[in-house]
Amino acid sequence: NAGVTQTPKFRVLKTGQSMTLLCAQDMNHEYMYWYRQDPGMGLRLIHYSVGEGTTAKGEVPDGYNVSRLKKQNFLLGLESAAPSQTSVYFCASSSRANQPQHFGDGTRLSIL
Amino acid sequence: EDQVTQSPEALRLQEGESSSLNCSYTVSGLRGLFWYRQDPGKGPEFLFTLYSAGEEKEKERLKATLTKKESFLHITAPKPEDSATYLCAVQADQAGTALIFGKGTTLSVSS
Repeated sequence: NAGVTQTPKFRVLKTGQSMTLLCAQDMNHEYMYWYRQDPGMGLRLIHYSVGEGTTAKGEVPDGYNVSRLKKQNFLLGLESAAPSQTSVYFCASSSRANQPQHFGDGTRLSIL
Repeated sequence: EDQVTQSPEALRLQEGESSSLNCSYTVSGLRGLFWYRQDPGKGPEFLFTLYSAGEEKEKERLKATLTKKESFLHITAPKPEDSATYLCAVQADQAGTALIFGKGTTLSVSS
Protein backbone atom coordinates (compact mmCIF):
# COMPACT_ATOMS: atom_id res chain seq x y z
CA ASN A 1 0.00 0.00 0.00
CA ALA A 2 2.32 2.75 -1.26
CA GLY A 3 -0.27 5.58 -1.43
CA VAL A 4 1.62 8.82 -2.11
CA THR A 5 5.37 8.57 -2.65
CA GLN A 6 7.68 11.58 -2.72
CA THR A 7 11.20 11.66 -4.16
CA PRO A 8 13.73 12.65 -2.88
CA LYS A 9 13.27 12.62 0.90
CA PHE A 10 16.07 15.10 1.59
CA ARG A 11 17.99 17.57 -0.55
CA VAL A 12 20.42 20.42 -0.04
CA LEU A 13 20.74 23.03 -2.77
CA LYS A 14 22.76 26.15 -3.30
CA THR A 15 21.04 29.44 -4.07
CA GLY A 16 20.27 29.68 -7.77
CA GLN A 17 20.25 25.95 -8.45
CA SER A 18 17.22 24.23 -9.89
CA MET A 19 15.56 20.96 -9.02
CA THR A 20 12.39 18.94 -9.45
CA LEU A 21 10.45 17.18 -6.73
CA LEU A 22 8.49 14.13 -7.81
CA CYS A 23 5.18 12.93 -6.41
CA ALA A 24 3.59 9.65 -7.43
CA GLN A 25 0.24 8.22 -6.29
CA ASP A 26 -1.17 4.76 -6.92
CA MET A 27 -4.77 5.42 -5.86
CA ASN A 28 -6.01 6.61 -9.26
CA HIS A 29 -6.88 9.99 -7.74
CA GLU A 30 -7.85 12.89 -9.98
CA TYR A 31 -6.70 15.69 -7.69
CA MET A 32 -3.12 16.31 -6.61
CA TYR A 33 -1.59 19.06 -4.48
CA TRP A 34 1.73 20.51 -3.40
CA TYR A 35 2.04 22.13 0.05
CA ARG A 36 4.90 23.59 2.02
CA GLN A 37 5.14 23.42 5.82
CA ASP A 38 7.15 25.96 7.76
CA PRO A 39 7.49 26.33 11.54
CA GLY A 40 4.68 28.45 12.95
CA MET A 41 2.99 28.80 9.55
CA GLY A 42 1.03 25.62 9.06
CA LEU A 43 0.61 23.94 5.69
CA ARG A 44 0.19 26.27 2.71
CA LEU A 45 -0.93 25.28 -0.77
CA ILE A 46 1.56 25.99 -3.58
CA HIS A 47 -0.11 24.54 -6.68
CA TYR A 48 -2.67 21.90 -7.41
CA SER A 49 -4.12 19.87 -10.27
CA VAL A 50 -7.68 18.69 -10.86
CA GLY A 51 -6.72 16.21 -13.54
CA GLU A 52 -4.09 15.12 -16.04
CA GLY A 53 -2.79 18.06 -18.03
CA THR A 54 -4.24 20.71 -15.70
CA THR A 55 -2.60 22.86 -13.03
CA ALA A 56 -3.65 25.85 -10.92
CA LYS A 57 -2.07 28.26 -8.47
CA GLY A 58 -2.55 28.00 -4.74
CA GLU A 59 -1.80 30.43 -1.93
CA VAL A 60 2.00 30.68 -2.39
CA PRO A 61 2.88 29.86 -6.04
CA ASP A 62 5.70 32.34 -6.69
CA GLY A 63 9.04 30.74 -7.52
CA TYR A 64 7.53 27.34 -8.31
CA ASN A 65 6.24 25.59 -11.40
CA VAL A 66 4.34 22.32 -11.73
CA SER A 67 3.41 19.78 -14.36
CA ARG A 68 0.94 16.90 -14.50
CA LEU A 69 1.73 14.99 -17.68
CA LYS A 70 0.50 11.68 -16.27
CA LYS A 71 -2.43 11.16 -13.92
CA GLN A 72 -0.32 9.43 -11.31
CA ASN A 73 2.54 11.96 -11.22
CA PHE A 74 2.76 15.59 -10.13
CA LEU A 75 6.08 17.41 -10.42
CA LEU A 76 7.13 20.53 -8.51
CA GLY A 77 9.98 22.56 -9.95
CA LEU A 78 12.18 25.24 -8.49
CA GLU A 79 13.88 27.11 -11.34
CA SER A 80 16.24 29.26 -9.25
CA ALA A 81 16.22 28.21 -5.61
CA ALA A 82 16.23 30.87 -2.88
CA PRO A 83 16.88 30.48 0.88
CA SER A 84 13.22 31.43 1.51
CA GLN A 85 12.24 28.17 -0.18
CA THR A 86 13.87 26.13 2.57
CA SER A 87 10.95 24.10 3.85
CA VAL A 88 9.32 20.70 4.05
CA TYR A 89 7.29 19.98 0.92
CA PHE A 90 4.30 17.67 1.00
CA CYS A 91 2.37 16.19 -1.86
CA ALA A 92 -1.22 15.03 -1.45
CA SER A 93 -3.95 13.50 -3.56
CA SER A 94 -7.71 13.08 -3.36
CA SER A 95 -10.37 11.36 -5.42
CA ARG A 96 -12.64 14.43 -5.60
CA ALA A 97 -12.61 18.02 -4.44
CA ASN A 98 -14.33 17.56 -1.05
CA GLN A 99 -12.83 14.19 -0.22
CA PRO A 100 -9.92 13.69 2.22
CA GLN A 101 -6.48 14.45 0.93
CA HIS A 102 -3.85 11.76 1.49
CA PHE A 103 -0.30 12.92 2.05
CA GLY A 104 3.17 11.64 1.35
CA ASP A 105 5.95 11.79 3.94
CA GLY A 106 7.52 14.93 2.56
CA THR A 107 10.73 16.22 1.04
CA ARG A 108 13.00 18.19 3.35
CA LEU A 109 14.70 20.86 1.25
CA SER A 110 17.46 23.16 2.47
CA ILE A 111 18.77 25.99 0.33
CA LEU A 112 22.05 27.53 1.34
CA GLU B 1 -10.69 36.16 4.90
CA ASP B 2 -11.01 32.45 5.63
CA GLN B 3 -9.20 31.48 8.83
CA VAL B 4 -8.59 28.45 11.00
CA THR B 5 -7.34 28.76 14.59
CA GLN B 6 -6.37 25.83 16.77
CA SER B 7 -5.98 25.87 20.54
CA PRO B 8 -4.10 25.18 22.63
CA GLU B 9 -0.80 25.21 20.74
CA ALA B 10 0.54 22.50 23.04
CA LEU B 11 -1.09 20.15 25.52
CA ARG B 12 0.51 17.82 28.03
CA LEU B 13 -1.61 15.04 29.51
CA GLN B 14 -1.07 12.12 31.81
CA GLU B 15 -2.06 8.74 30.46
CA GLY B 16 -5.80 8.32 30.98
CA GLU B 17 -6.45 12.06 31.41
CA SER B 18 -9.15 12.98 28.89
CA SER B 19 -9.21 16.38 27.17
CA SER B 20 -10.31 18.25 24.05
CA LEU B 21 -8.59 20.13 21.25
CA ASN B 22 -10.33 23.08 19.64
CA CYS B 23 -10.49 24.23 16.03
CA SER B 24 -12.38 27.46 15.38
CA TYR B 25 -12.98 28.66 11.85
CA THR B 26 -14.32 31.63 9.94
CA VAL B 27 -15.12 30.79 6.34
CA SER B 28 -17.54 32.02 3.73
CA GLY B 29 -19.21 28.65 3.40
CA LEU B 30 -17.99 25.37 4.87
CA ARG B 31 -17.68 22.48 2.46
CA GLY B 32 -15.87 20.20 4.88
CA LEU B 33 -13.68 20.10 7.99
CA PHE B 34 -10.82 17.62 8.22
CA TRP B 35 -8.76 16.37 11.15
CA TYR B 36 -5.28 14.96 10.61
CA ARG B 37 -2.60 13.51 12.85
CA GLN B 38 1.06 14.24 12.11
CA ASP B 39 3.98 12.38 13.66
CA PRO B 40 7.49 13.89 13.60
CA GLY B 41 9.14 13.46 10.21
CA LYS B 42 5.94 12.15 8.62
CA GLY B 43 3.14 13.51 6.49
CA PRO B 44 -0.33 14.25 7.89
CA GLU B 45 -2.46 11.15 8.36
CA PHE B 46 -6.19 11.54 7.73
CA LEU B 47 -8.47 10.97 10.74
CA PHE B 48 -11.95 12.42 10.14
CA THR B 49 -14.11 14.47 7.80
CA LEU B 50 -17.12 16.44 9.07
CA TYR B 51 -19.48 18.12 6.63
CA SER B 52 -22.31 19.67 8.63
CA ALA B 53 -23.03 21.07 12.09
CA GLY B 54 -24.06 18.40 14.57
CA GLU B 55 -22.07 15.69 12.85
CA GLU B 56 -19.83 13.44 14.98
CA LYS B 57 -17.23 10.82 14.07
CA GLU B 58 -15.40 8.36 16.33
CA LYS B 59 -12.31 6.23 16.01
CA GLU B 60 -10.86 4.39 18.99
CA ARG B 61 -10.11 7.03 21.66
CA LEU B 62 -10.86 9.97 19.36
CA LYS B 63 -14.16 11.70 18.74
CA ALA B 64 -14.63 14.71 16.46
CA THR B 65 -17.61 17.05 16.65
CA LEU B 66 -18.68 20.04 14.57
CA THR B 67 -20.70 23.19 15.20
CA LYS B 68 -21.23 26.19 12.93
CA LYS B 69 -18.14 27.93 14.32
CA GLU B 70 -15.82 25.26 15.67
CA SER B 71 -14.84 21.64 15.90
CA PHE B 72 -13.56 19.68 18.86
CA LEU B 73 -11.35 16.63 18.90
CA HIS B 74 -12.07 14.80 22.14
CA ILE B 75 -9.43 12.37 23.37
CA THR B 76 -10.68 9.85 25.92
CA ALA B 77 -8.19 8.07 28.21
CA PRO B 78 -5.19 8.90 26.00
CA LYS B 79 -2.15 6.66 25.75
CA PRO B 80 1.47 7.68 25.04
CA GLU B 81 1.06 6.52 21.43
CA ASP B 82 -1.54 9.28 20.94
CA SER B 83 1.28 11.83 21.22
CA ALA B 84 1.44 13.75 17.93
CA THR B 85 0.50 17.04 16.33
CA TYR B 86 -3.17 17.25 15.42
CA LEU B 87 -4.07 19.42 12.45
CA CYS B 88 -7.44 20.86 11.54
CA ALA B 89 -8.23 21.99 8.00
CA VAL B 90 -11.30 23.42 6.33
CA GLN B 91 -12.47 23.52 2.76
CA ALA B 92 -14.45 26.66 2.00
CA ASP B 93 -16.71 27.62 -0.88
CA GLN B 94 -14.51 30.49 -2.05
CA ALA B 95 -11.28 28.52 -1.71
CA GLY B 96 -12.39 25.86 -4.16
CA THR B 97 -10.55 22.61 -3.63
CA ALA B 98 -7.86 24.11 -1.36
CA LEU B 99 -7.58 23.16 2.30
CA ILE B 100 -6.93 25.91 4.82
CA PHE B 101 -4.89 24.50 7.69
CA GLY B 102 -4.58 25.60 11.27
CA LYS B 103 -1.15 25.61 12.89
CA GLY B 104 -1.88 22.48 14.91
CA THR B 105 -1.95 21.32 18.52
CA THR B 106 1.00 19.29 19.75
CA LEU B 107 -0.17 16.67 22.21
CA SER B 108 2.19 14.92 24.60
CA VAL B 109 0.88 12.04 26.69
CA SER B 110 3.11 10.71 29.44
CA SER B 111 2.77 7.41 31.27
